[in-house]
Amino acid sequence: AQTVTQSQPEMSVQEAETVTLSCTYDTSENNYYLFWYKQPPSRQMILVIRQEAYKQQNATENRFSVNFQKAAKSFSLKISDSQLGDTAMYFCAFMTRRDDKIIFGKGTRLHILP
Amino acid sequence: DAMVIQNPRYQVTQFGKPVTLSCSQTLNHNVMYWYQQKSSQAPKLLFHYYDKDFNNEADTPDNFQSRRPNTSFCFLDIRSPGLGDAAMYLCATSRDRGKNIQYFGAGTRLSVL
Repeated sequence: AQTVTQSQPEMSVQEAETVTLSCTYDTSENNYYLFWYKQPPSRQMILVIRQEAYKQQNATENRFSVNFQKAAKSFSLKISDSQLGDTAMYFCAFMTRRDDKIIFGKGTRLHILP
Repeated sequence: DAMVIQNPRYQVTQFGKPVTLSCSQTLNHNVMYWYQQKSSQAPKLLFHYYDKDFNNEADTPDNFQSRRPNTSFCFLDIRSPGLGDAAMYLCATSRDRGKNIQYFGAGTRLSVL
C-alpha cells in the first residue's frame, strides 16, 4: 500500500523568507505522480505543483519548486519569497499512473507572518 | 469563476436524519470524486464516478451513498448520520481517466447534532 508522510504539522516563517516543506512516500510502483496541493482557510484546494516520477528534472512553478529524490522517496516543496497569501494547509499527494486515486499526506499548516 | 461548486457550504443535521450534499461542475469532466476530510486529517476518498461507472472504496461505510444523474451533478447521501460523520466533504473532478489533475470544490462542512 502507498503511504505519504508529512513530518511537519505546522510551520511559521516571515514574509519574504524561503521555506521548505518535507514529504516522504512509500510505494512499490515505478510509474506515478506526486503533487503539492494548497488549501487556504475556508477556500478550495488547488494544485500548486506536479512531478512525474519518470522525469528527473525537478518541477518549478514561479516561486514554487520541488526537490524530488526518487531513490530516497522524498518530495519536498520550496517556497521562495514567501507571501502572506501563501498561508494555507499544504498537502503532499501521490497517484499511480494506473489509478485515479490520490493519496494525501496529513498536511502541513504554513503561516506566513508579516 | 467557480468550476466545481458545492452546496451548501455549511450543513447542520441531526443524528440519524438523512442528509444530501451536492456538487456541480462546469468543466464537463468525466470523473467526479467525493472525499471526507476530518479535522487536521488528510482527505480520504469515499468513492468516485467514471462517467456513470460507480467505484466505491472498500472501507467506505454503507451509510454513504452517491448518485450521479448527469455529467454535471453528483450527490453524496448520508442515510443515517452519526456524530463521527461530522467532517468537511470535498468534491473533485478530473477530465478523464489517467488525467491526474483534480479540481476541487470549496467543500461542505457537515455538523451532526
